[in-house]
Amino acid sequence: RKEVEQDPGPFNVPEGATVAFNCTYSNSASQSFFWYRQDCRKEPKLLMSVYSSGNEDGRFTAQLNRASQYISLLIRDSKLSDSATYLCVVTSPGDTGRRALTFGSGTRLQVQP
Amino acid sequence: GAGVSQSPSNKVTEKGKDVELRCDPISGHTALYWYRQSLGQGLEFLIYFQGNSAPDKSGLPSDRFSAERTGGSVSTLTIQRTQQEDSAVYLCASSPFSGSGNTIYFGEGSWLTVV
Repeated sequence: RKEVEQDPGPFNVPEGATVAFNCTYSNSASQSFFWYRQDCRKEPKLLMSVYSSGNEDGRFTAQLNRASQYISLLIRDSKLSDSATYLCVVTSPGDTGRRALTFGSGTRLQVQP
Repeated sequence: GAGVSQSPSNKVTEKGKDVELRCDPISGHTALYWYRQSLGQGLEFLIYFQGNSAPDKSGLPSDRFSAERTGGSVSTLTIQRTQQEDSAVYLCASSPFSGSGNTIYFGEGSWLTVV
């Protein structure tokens, strides 16, 4: 089983739709969680951290479910500019080096007019 | 500089030639990472530096790949005798320190094409 798993998609949604992605992780000791966004042929950029109580940034809401070991990203009122690949990133205590951050392979979102 | 800087941004090279890719991390960041990403694929970890030392080289795909970092700052990734399967974007990232819970910042990448 992969340490971090994501549905690769693509998720094709119309403008204005609400879309949600999940990401599951295998290490129950995982401590920190992030969502990164990667546009086509660009580098990944931090979208938002995920806090235990859940957090919101405009149209984006991130949630953590420790019992079921997944995090989610909800995008409301999708825009064409939201089209990108969304990478889930998980870290575990004491990890350094390659394990400092474990990347999922990403979920591709395509918002259509 | 304000962000992670990589050069060259694009490189086309003939099979069998050596290439050097450079990364200039964010000033003050002690941790530096190299990743590789082939088209449509996920990130593949290559190597990690803490200061000038590389405690984790486990991701380097073969002995044709090497990397160094000097002065706790600039890093160079060298690929010797390039092969077509080396074609990918090579992403460098840095963070203030190593360890979990740490946000990393990526450069725009060096796009390598081996013909």
